Amino acid sequence: DIQMTQSPSSLSASVGDRVTITCQANQDINYHLNWYQQKPGRAPRLLIYDVSDLETGAPSRFSGSGSGTDFSFTISSLQPEDVATYYCQQYETLPHFGQGTKVEIK
Amino acid sequence: QVQLVESGGGLVKPGGSLRLSCVASGFTFSDYYMTWIRQAPGKGLEWVSYISANGNYTKYADSVKGRFTISRDNAKNSLFLQMNSLRVEDTAVYYCARDATTVRSDSFDIWGQGTMVTVSS
Repeated sequence: DIQMTQSPSSLSASVGDRVTITCQANQDINYHLNWYQQKPGRAPRLLIYDVSDLETGAPSRFSGSGSGTDFSFTISSLQPEDVATYYCQQYETLPHFGQGTKVEIK
Repeated sequence: QVQLVESGGGLVKPGGSLRLSCVASGFTFSDYYMTWIRQAPGKGLEWVSYISANGNYTKYADSVKGRFTISRDNAKNSLFLQMNSLRVEDTAVYYCARDATTVRSDSFDIWGQGTMVTVSS
């Protein structure tokens, strides 16, 4: 099974800060990596697919990069509405999600 | 608009059964793979099962294999999850989700609001 290690598990940053979350796979997953946002009490929302493609309607301050086993997700300028938990998800094999990163405003 | 609405959750005793439903609207349901994903209270997301657009192909997570059955009725724009031999660890919010493309991509672009399943004696 492909395991995804996401870090940090939580972070606190100020409005306007650049925030980066990483996700590491225990084997090569090519470009098969997505990022989701889940606000409290809500269903997840797809933000980034295929490592770096922005889902229609997602704000351009969200971006993704990486290849092979190491990936990152960045919010270029943190906004209050970005408070949420973010998950990476690989689909090289059966879908599997990272443990999540809870993002809060300092 | 494009929408998925789940129902059927509730409280059930260990060893019991439950059938979840998900009704789709706003898109051609029969064109898309569909998936169930669950989230235990305070925990992360766990993929459970998917089914092909025509219903002929299914796949399950090891944690539910042999106990859960996914199915669909394209005439009624409906997805189902039959859950048997339920365990305490199956307690979760269950989401149905649409594959983002008409060729299976395992990226999920439309999600329902979720239905809570509680397994407890």
